[in-house]
Amino acid sequence: EAGVAQSPRYKIIEKRQSVAFWCNPISGHATLYWYQQILGQGPKLLIQFQNNGVVDDSQLPKDRFSAERLKGVDSTLKIQPAKLEDSAVYLCASSFPGGHTGELFFGEGSRLTVL
Amino acid sequence: SQQGEEDPQALSIQEGENATMNCSYKTSINNLQWYRQNSGRGLVHLILIRSNEREKHSGRLRVTLDTSKKSSSLLITASRAADTASYFCATTGANSKLTFGKGITLSVRP
Repeated sequence: EAGVAQSPRYKIIEKRQSVAFWCNPISGHATLYWYQQILGQGPKLLIQFQNNGVVDDSQLPKDRFSAERLKGVDSTLKIQPAKLEDSAVYLCASSFPGGHTGELFFGEGSRLTVL
Repeated sequence: SQQGEEDPQALSIQEGENATMNCSYKTSINNLQWYRQNSGRGLVHLILIRSNEREKHSGRLRVTLDTSKKSSSLLITASRAADTASYFCATTGANSKLTFGKGITLSVRP
């Protein structure tokens, strides 16, 4: 079974530029999550989708971050314009419809460096 | 905000020894999970324990949960160099949100 796919693995940009990350969850997983993990910290949930609907985006900085999951499968997370404090690893995860009550499957992450 | 707080922050042991990591949380939970993260990789689920369970085993892993003390422990027996990683506890509360702690860095010396 293929795991959660993410790209790119690494991205370096200058502040005020934009960046987009892509995620393809495990086939059949209706729930998709984007987490932000700053160095030395645990992952922080940015947004949760159930199929193509948003379940929770309370911690998403909506003035600069946006995410979509148009067909209920793969998803894109965008940052525009980027700030220095956005330097982090962006992790995508997916799960069965049970959502947070069960196991999450994570991708390898996309490491963003903002200069 | 981070619900779980792991202790210690870093642990260094010799191969073959047991590693014990602790997690404390503040509010009531539905379940508690432990994840492992190797350097530069994503998180891998290790084990889930529900609020009505006290102990679970999976291979060399043993997890306990004490809801009266709002704490959990993860024991890795007979550790191997390959167990070197960061370990995170994550709790699911009544709002069904999964919240991660800051993690414990485990180093197993060959």
